[in-house]
Amino acid sequence: AQSVTQLGSHVSVSEGALVLLRCNYSSSVPPYLFWYVQYPNQGLQLLLKYTTGATLVKGINGFEAEFKKSETSFHLTKPSAHMSDAAEYFCAVSVAAGAQKLVFGQGTRLTINP
Amino acid sequence: DAGITQSPRHKVTETGTPVTLRCHQTENHRYMYWYRQDPGHGLRLIHYSYGVKDTDKGEVSDGYSVSRSKTEDFLLTLESATSSQTSVYFCAIRTGWEATEAFFGQGTRLTVV
Repeated sequence: AQSVTQLGSHVSVSEGALVLLRCNYSSSVPPYLFWYVQYPNQGLQLLLKYTTGATLVKGINGFEAEFKKSETSFHLTKPSAHMSDAAEYFCAVSVAAGAQKLVFGQGTRLTINP
Repeated sequence: DAGITQSPRHKVTETGTPVTLRCHQTENHRYMYWYRQDPGHGLRLIHYSYGVKDTDKGEVSDGYSVSRSKTEDFLLTLESATSSQTSVYFCAIRTGWEATEAFFGQGTRLTVV
């Protein structure tokens, strides 16, 4: 079975500062890893994903994440925060078998301070 | 939104009443999922479908049933709504066997009073 832990339910950074959202996963088989973003009163939008290959993946809006197998981590970063990045972010894991059901972390709410 | 429509978008219902939420997709994708979102829990899988009349339970299926009589529609039914089922419900699709990510609808906010 898979599981995801997001460290920190709330993260607050200043505009222009580095954004770091932490995600650790557990999986007995090679995982697929995802970051989704949710703006208020909207559905989830895919930011980026890791399936195979290059461990540093780039997504939309300047975000990137690095798959580190040895640390079972998939942390999300952005060098310079923008006010429009304020949202809730979800890390998720699935595996390449069957229905590929997504298992989500509890979410991290990102606040950007002017 | 990958052609996903959820209806209704908002609903208030009384405890003990049946409720059906609809997820409609326009592109005949095989895999469809129902999740619920609650603070502190992220999204949790209720049921999923891998084809017409082919469904299976997810992590939090108690109190819910689903049906998929057509490729484009995946219905979630609360047979007798309880206050613990107050939540935001999201439908998702996966676009094919080789596809890895899911695309989500806009959600249905259900309040059981």
